Amino acid sequence: QVQLVQSGAEVKKPGSSVKVSCKASGGTFSSYAISWVRQAPGQGLEWMGRIIPILGIANYAQKFQGRVTITADKSTSTAYMELSSLRSEDTAVYYCASGSSSDYWGQGTLVTVSS
Amino acid sequence: QPVLTQSSSASASLGSSVKLTCTLSSGHSSYIIAWHQQQPGKAPRYLMKLEGSGSYNKGSGVPDRFSGSSSGADRYLTISNLQFEDEADYYCETWDSNTVVFGGGTKLTVL
Repeated sequence: QVQLVQSGAEVKKPGSSVKVSCKASGGTFSSYAISWVRQAPGQGLEWMGRIIPILGIANYAQKFQGRVTITADKSTSTAYMELSSLRSEDTAVYYCASGSSSDYWGQGTLVTVSS
Repeated sequence: QPVLTQSSSASASLGSSVKLTCTLSSGHSSYIIAWHQQQPGKAPRYLMKLEGSGSYNKGSGVPDRFSGSSSGADRYLTISNLQFEDEADYYCETWDSNTVVFGGGTKLTVL
């Protein structure tokens, strides 16, 4: 059974960057895509992008192109999502999800953007 | 890219059944989708993968009360013998080589 454990909550200033980690255990890390999905307060799920660790190739939602970078470290079975030029609208819970159909989800990381 | 449409809310009585719908956009009616459940204050949970044929594959530990079916561009999630713990938001998801898309979610209330 795959488990995804994410890093802790963050508070950031507008204009800064945040990097959230997602460590996988109990499965084959490299084989499946890892997606990053966010959820603003009271809103639905929004896909940001994904990476296939074995290929090291990431693709991103058009909305976040140029502002998000998703990477993966196969040696530690950890994926990362870095979002730059933060604004208040980026306040959300950020989830990682793994598997061919988002079979496994991390617990979520609250990122608060506030001056 | 595909678009998924869900009703914003649904309600049903304890012990009854409810059928939630996720509709694929034109030109994407053959796509496979996944259903996820999100209980209040929790992370989403994968329920099942559902094909256009109606064949579905549930996640580990998902109760037998949850089932899937399909008709054309519509993908259904049926929950039988509703329990209070089924009160949650339900999201459908689909994907292609370039993108992943979520529906807007259906908030299910158990009366």
